[in-house]
Amino acid sequence: DADVTQTPRNRITKTGKRIMLECSQTKGHDRMYWYRQDPGLGLRLIYYSFDVKDINKGEISDGYSVSRQAQAKFSLSLESAIPNQTALYFCATSEPTSYNEQFFGPGTRLTVL
Amino acid sequence: DAKTTQPNSMESNEEEPVHLPCNHSTISGTDYIHWYRQLPSQGPEYVIHGLTSNVNNRMASLAIAEDRKSSTLILHRATLRDAAVYYCIPNENAGNMLTFGGGTRLMVKP
Repeated sequence: DADVTQTPRNRITKTGKRIMLECSQTKGHDRMYWYRQDPGLGLRLIYYSFDVKDINKGEISDGYSVSRQAQAKFSLSLESAIPNQTALYFCATSEPTSYNEQFFGPGTRLTVL
Repeated sequence: DAKTTQPNSMESNEEEPVHLPCNHSTISGTDYIHWYRQLPSQGPEYVIHGLTSNVNNRMASLAIAEDRKSSTLILHRATLRDAAVYYCIPNENAGNMLTFGGGTRLMVKP
């Protein structure tokens, strides 16, 4: 079974709709992250959480919010989706080791029409 | 964060070695050099990391210049499965937030 799972894997929605992307992990890691990837580009950090009570904005947090419901769950919400939020979204986890290896989920492909 | 420069793309023949370069001239003394790769339709995966000394693991080798302003990821025998985008990421361990640039798209020819 995958250690980091994301649901849904694909989603098509309309402008103005509220969308929630979910991430679950069985690795027991404290740190979780949300990234987005636009076609042909690298990943950009949206939000990250170092433990259940900690939430931090990343490089591109505008238009997004997150919730850390438990150590194993980190959700990303788009309160009112817009077309330029069409992208691939990846969740990742890590422990604060000396070399910071992050483990990524399979991604959610979101299309906003 | 240190700025990185990588070739947009590289091509290799199967079973030949591949050297993927990365320039990170503004790297700080505490930054590790991480390499990740992203296979088609997948999330990124860790490949290797290093600080000053050259490093080897089962996936690859990492050669770090003495001045640390550049590094090279070495795949000793490329396979078709190694076709991916390779990202070089300088990052201090305390920050734990990776900044992905454009990476190098490696194509492997049979």
